[in-house]
Amino acid sequence: GENVEQHPSTLSVQEGDSAVIKCTYSDSASNYFPWYKQELGKGPQLIIDIRSNVGEKKDQRIAVTLNKTAKHFSLHITETQPEDSAVYFCAASSTDSWGKLQFGAGTQVVVTP
Amino acid sequence: DAGVIQSPRHEVTEMGQEVTLRCKPISGHNSLFWYRQTMMRGLELLIYFNNNVPIDDSGMPEDRFSAKMPNASFSTLKIQPSEPRDSAVYFCASIRTKTGGLGDTQYFGPGTRLTVL
Repeated sequence: GENVEQHPSTLSVQEGDSAVIKCTYSDSASNYFPWYKQELGKGPQLIIDIRSNVGEKKDQRIAVTLNKTAKHFSLHITETQPEDSAVYFCAASSTDSWGKLQFGAGTQVVVTP
Repeated sequence: DAGVIQSPRHEVTEMGQEVTLRCKPISGHNSLFWYRQTMMRGLELLIYFNNNVPIDDSGMPEDRFSAKMPNASFSTLKIQPSEPRDSAVYFCASIRTKTGGLGDTQYFGPGTRLTVL
């Protein structure tokens, strides 16, 4: 089955700096890679996703890159703000998985003013 | 859209009692997932349904756990009898899966925080 590894487990950044979280996956059949943000006391919320037919996707301050050959994908947050502080999860799934996602362990991001 | 609805939001019970968690998926979604989240084990998939049929329950920790989906708009996760180690946040998520298509967005509910004393 699919295995997703996520690094780092914690990340502390100064407000305004960039944050990068990296994930690797094992199943070459995986073709959908979402990123979720979980704030304290809430459920995970999708912030951006990428499919295997593109290498990069950007949405304002958030971008995701995908390297299918190396089986890794990354989340980039630029100009970080205190409200970006949360736990971020990467995930992977394949077409025949009934929508089942394999999640990484999560990254606790702390943005200090 | 109201999103995925879970109830109760918080549940405190005593060891040995039966606990039932409820979930209403987003209308039109045909797959539903139950997750458990703890500090030690992170986000674990317990079971998921497609078109109300359980597809994979390999994540259900023990026979004390059971889940049902009697119709497209309702699912329950039951723990009987409950134990202190069951204390966790339980999430329900739903998704619209397309036959032969790529993955769609999985939406999570707000979760039920369960405390077993």
